[in-house]
Amino acid sequence: GNSVTQMEGPVTLSEEAFLTINCTYTATGYPSLFWYVQYPGEGLQLLLKATKADDKGSNKGFEATYRKETTSFHLEKGSVQVSDSAVYFCALTQDTGRRALTFGSGTRLQVQP
Amino acid sequence: SAVISQKPSRDICQRGTSLTIQCQVDSQVTMMFWYRQQPGQSLTLIATANQGSEATYESGFVIDKFPISRPNLTFSTLTVSNMSPEDSSIYLCSVEGLAGETQYFGPGTRLLVL
Repeated sequence: GNSVTQMEGPVTLSEEAFLTINCTYTATGYPSLFWYVQYPGEGLQLLLKATKADDKGSNKGFEATYRKETTSFHLEKGSVQVSDSAVYFCALTQDTGRRALTFGSGTRLQVQP
Repeated sequence: SAVISQKPSRDICQRGTSLTIQCQVDSQVTMMFWYRQQPGQSLTLIATANQGSEATYESGFVIDKFPISRPNLTFSTLTVSNMSPEDSSIYLCSVEGLAGETQYFGPGTRLLVL
């Protein structure tokens, strides 16, 4: 079956530091890949997505590239802000059949001023 | 993206009671889903809400415990029946966007069972 593996958190960074959150996946076919963000006390928001190999998703300074050869979709940001403190979830959907999302365990990011 | 609302936003319930959560979307959508997020955990799919037919449940979730209705293409309900403290979670509905590849989430219902 499908699965998503994320790096363990929490990740604690100082403001303006570089961020990488690793995500790898197992799936058959050609899944679509997503990063969702959950700010404290709020629901899930779509951060970015990529639907085919070598696609780069980007939003709010965050980027992730769909790497089929390494089955990875790592999230990066060049300079984090305190307001980026949240839980980040990597997820995938299958290209055919079951359309529900399979989520990783989530990575909590804490950015200190 | 679709605008999704959920009611109630939070509730505190006594064990043995039931709670029905509503999910309303501002446009017609084909696919609706219900997820559970236990404290400090990731999201787990409960079921896919099918319009005009029974919901499709994931392993570990049963209709008697989590009955779901989907009377039309903009609305669904999830009932958490005979609640116990282990049911304390955030319950989220999601819908699939028009392009068919992206899911958008409601704000969630935070449930505490005492």
